[in-house]
Amino acid sequence: QQQVKQSPQSLIVQKGGISIINCAYENTAFDYFPWYQQFPGKGPALLIAIRPDVSEKKEGRFTISFNKSAKQFSLHIMDSQPGDSATYFCAARSSGSARQLTFGSGTQLTVLP
Amino acid sequence: NAGVTQTPKFRILKIGQSMTLQCTQDMNHNYMYWYRQDPGMGLKLIYYSVGAGITDKGEVPNGYNVSRSTTEDFPLRLELAAPSQTSVYFCASSSGTGKETQYFGPGTRLLVL
Repeated sequence: QQQVKQSPQSLIVQKGGISIINCAYENTAFDYFPWYQQFPGKGPALLIAIRPDVSEKKEGRFTISFNKSAKQFSLHIMDSQPGDSATYFCAARSSGSARQLTFGSGTQLTVLP
Repeated sequence: NAGVTQTPKFRILKIGQSMTLQCTQDMNHNYMYWYRQDPGMGLKLIYYSVGAGITDKGEVPNGYNVSRSTTEDFPLRLELAAPSQTSVYFCASSSGTGKETQYFGPGTRLLVL
């Protein structure tokens, strides 16, 4: 079954802290793992993505850690800021021609000032 | 360059009514997608298209229909609206080659009463 499980459902972090969101997948045919950020009333926007042949990718304060053998990946937000408060979705893309994304259920992050 | 645009932003339908959600992209993307987003459920793929004249079902296609007569437009048709179709609908597009980013529109909030 094509499923991506995401946790936690909600997360509250103090400004300057580290936010960690975890995802797990089952389908070994997934070949691309993006994270999307969504602000209220807006569509999701790509934040950062990783391919399974890489164990870590860092872009500014955002890092994806990828564990292929465990079929898990996580998003780390360093020095979290109030402006990072949003809903975060992990996703996994099937290797078929349609490039379909399967999304996790989302994590609502609140960064307190 | 407007990206992905969706109309209307918000609509209230009565049970049994029909409507079309419009989606247009100006990035010359071949791939287009329709998702629905329900609270705590992430995004579920309704239909997708890999090019003009080609459409296929996603995970939750029942009660919906699509067409793709041009590269730019990908309307979603709701026939005989039901309360279960109350949701936020997002259209997305991607080039399908190289960069894998799906670009999302701002969404249409639909309430079926």
